[in-house]
Amino acid sequence: GENVEQHPSTLSVQEGDSAVIKCTYSDSASNYFPWYKQELGKRPQLIIDIRSNVGEKKDQRIAVTLNKTAKHFSLHITETQPEDSAVYFCAGQVAGFKTIFGAGTRLFVKA
Amino acid sequence: DVKVTQSSRYLVKRTGEKVFLECVQDMDHENMFWYRQDPGLGLRLIYFSYDVKMKEKGDIPEGYSVSREKKERFSLILESASTNQTSMYLCASSTHSNQPQHFGDGTRLSIL
Repeated sequence: GENVEQHPSTLSVQEGDSAVIKCTYSDSASNYFPWYKQELGKRPQLIIDIRSNVGEKKDQRIAVTLNKTAKHFSLHITETQPEDSAVYFCAGQVAGFKTIFGAGTRLFVKA
Repeated sequence: DVKVTQSSRYLVKRTGEKVFLECVQDMDHENMFWYRQDPGLGLRLIYFSYDVKMKEKGDIPEGYSVSREKKERFSLILESASTNQTSMYLCASSTHSNQPQHFGDGTRLSIL
């Protein structure tokens, strides 16, 4: 069945460093890839998304890249800050409405 | 701003009870979703609905049912609650395909 794998499960970086989270998907028909951030005790919220007709998208310190051939996409956070500490979920949308989420990456940014 | 409201933040029920989790969205979204969130497993889709009275099974529908009688409301029903259904339940909505989902605050359900 459809699957989205996410790595690493935990990531610890020093404030100011970059963080990279990687995801792979199994269904080549996937065409929409959102990233959500979930702070402790709060709801997941969209931080950036990318569609399959685009290879890269950037929004200030956050960027996402997509390699359709290899079926993987990555989240890049530059100049990390303590408030970036959260759980990040990647997702791939297949066949219309069904969205498959990765297992999540817990990011710790040490001050 | 989109508002997705789940009826309870915390709920404690007993094994065998019928449990209702309610979700309401105020943005006239077509699609609504129910997920459960467990540590290390991410968000797993239970059911979703793309129109009133329509429903589709997600990845883990066993032991659950849903109801969407009105566009703004999507209910998750645990027919006979079991301890392995103790979890965080998240409701979400979206306008249509290839659009981000907006989540509620979640209901932490404990089945004793």
